[in-house]
Amino acid sequence: GAVVSQHPSWVICKSGTSVKIECRSLDFQATTMFWYRQFPKQSLMLMATSNEGSKATYEQGVEKDKFLINHASLTLSTLTVTSAHPEDSSFYICSAPSGGYQETQYFGPGTRLLVL
Amino acid sequence: QKEVEQDPGPLSVPEGAIVSLNCTYSNSAFQYFMWYRQYSRKGPELLMYTYSSGNKEDGRFTAQVDKSSKYISLFIRDSQPSDSATYLCAMRASKIIFGSGTRLSIRP
Repeated sequence: GAVVSQHPSWVICKSGTSVKIECRSLDFQATTMFWYRQFPKQSLMLMATSNEGSKATYEQGVEKDKFLINHASLTLSTLTVTSAHPEDSSFYICSAPSGGYQETQYFGPGTRLLVL
Repeated sequence: QKEVEQDPGPLSVPEGAIVSLNCTYSNSAFQYFMWYRQYSRKGPELLMYTYSSGNKEDGRFTAQVDKSSKYISLFIRDSQPSDSATYLCAMRASKIIFGSGTRLSIRP
């Protein structure tokens, strides 16, 4: 199947700092990528849809000024958590639909963020 | 009421057993139904997807969709310890909604 990578795989930062997470589609182009957050023993929650060449679409309740998304190319999307706080600690996962179909989206390995 | 309900488990079965995982849903607009496997501290991996009602088989895995009952199932035959993971159902109308996942453990 298609391969999506994420970097870093885990990060620990101090409260108030910003953290950037990269998501790359390695063997296919993705005009759209999705960013999810997953708390322990809970479901994946879609945060935003990243669109190459245009603004991201955020889900209700997600602060666009706090979670900055940039879809710089057809293979790279970045999520920046600005002024991170302990409640932002979570597992962040990106995905990209292969062939443009959401049903066949391929997930990255995830980034575990811990804010102290 | 959540749009997608999934028993969190944990479910523990002996190696070789047939496993049945299920989800129910409330939105009749869902047309696409997916199952993902997620190992600990990893991203989900797409196992199977089906469109509308019916069965789909892939190796040891069979996915069933019953739209009249708003019920989907994933069966795993000849279960292996390597099948131990969290299984997430997902379904889509305009966007994808995930179940909370069922933790499955296969005992050697």
